[in-house]
Amino acid sequence: EAGVVQSPRYKIIEKKQPVAFWCNPISGHNTLYWYLQNLGQGPELLIRYENEEAVDDSQLPKDRFSAERLKGVDSTLKIQPAELGDSAVYLCASSLEAGGDRVRNEQFFGPGTRLTVL
Amino acid sequence: KQEVTQIPAALSVPEGENLVLNCSFTDSAIYNLQWFRQDPGKGLTSLLLIQSSQREQTSGRLNASLDKSSGRSTLYIAASQPGDSATYLCAVNSGGGADGLTFGKGTHLIIQP
Repeated sequence: EAGVVQSPRYKIIEKKQPVAFWCNPISGHNTLYWYLQNLGQGPELLIRYENEEAVDDSQLPKDRFSAERLKGVDSTLKIQPAELGDSAVYLCASSLEAGGDRVRNEQFFGPGTRLTVL
Repeated sequence: KQEVTQIPAALSVPEGENLVLNCSFTDSAIYNLQWFRQDPGKGLTSLLLIQSSQREQTSGRLNASLDKSSGRSTLYIAASQPGDSATYLCAVNSGGGADGLTFGKGTHLIIQP
C-alpha cells in the first residue's frame, strides 16, 4: 500500500515569493492534515480536512497561508508571500476516521517538504 | 490547552541496553496516544497507537504503556540496536477522534555500537 506522497521534497525560494506544496493521502483516507515542524520541535497542526471540508483551520495564518482539498483527495498548501520565518518542514498526514478503522484514527505521515526562504 | 512533555530530551546508551522514554501530558481527557519515530530529514513513522481505554501496546521490541489518569506514557525499547537511533515523538489526540495531534519535542536517541 502506497503511503502519503508529498512534493516537492525540498524548496528554496526568495522571501516575498509564493510557494505551494502538494499532498496525496493514503487511498481511502478521508481525513487529511497539514503540520508545520520547526527545527528541534514537534509538528504543529495547521489545518485539518474531513473530505473536502476544512474543519479546523484555527492555527493557519490566513493572511498569507491558504489550503484546498478539491474532490476530497489531494491537497495543496500555499504561502504567498513567503517570509524568512516560514522556513520549516511542512508535513502532510492522513487517517481513516470512519469505517473499520474508526476506533483507531491512526495518523500516517508523508516525508515532508523542507522549505528554505532566503 | 494540551501540553506534551518528553523526558529526556536526549539519550545515548550502549547497544543491547533496555531503555525507557517518558511522555507526560497535561489534560488527561485524551482519545488516543501515538508514538512516532523520525529519522534525520525524514517524515514520521508511526510505531504504536494506544486508545484511551487501553493500558499498553506491543510491537516487536517496543512496548508502550498509558496511564491516562496520571497523564503519562512510556515507550520501552528492549535490547536496543544502532538502527534504533532516531528521534522519538509522543503525540496525543485530545479531540473526539480525527482531531489533530499535539506533539512533544521528542527524545533524540543514540545507540552506540
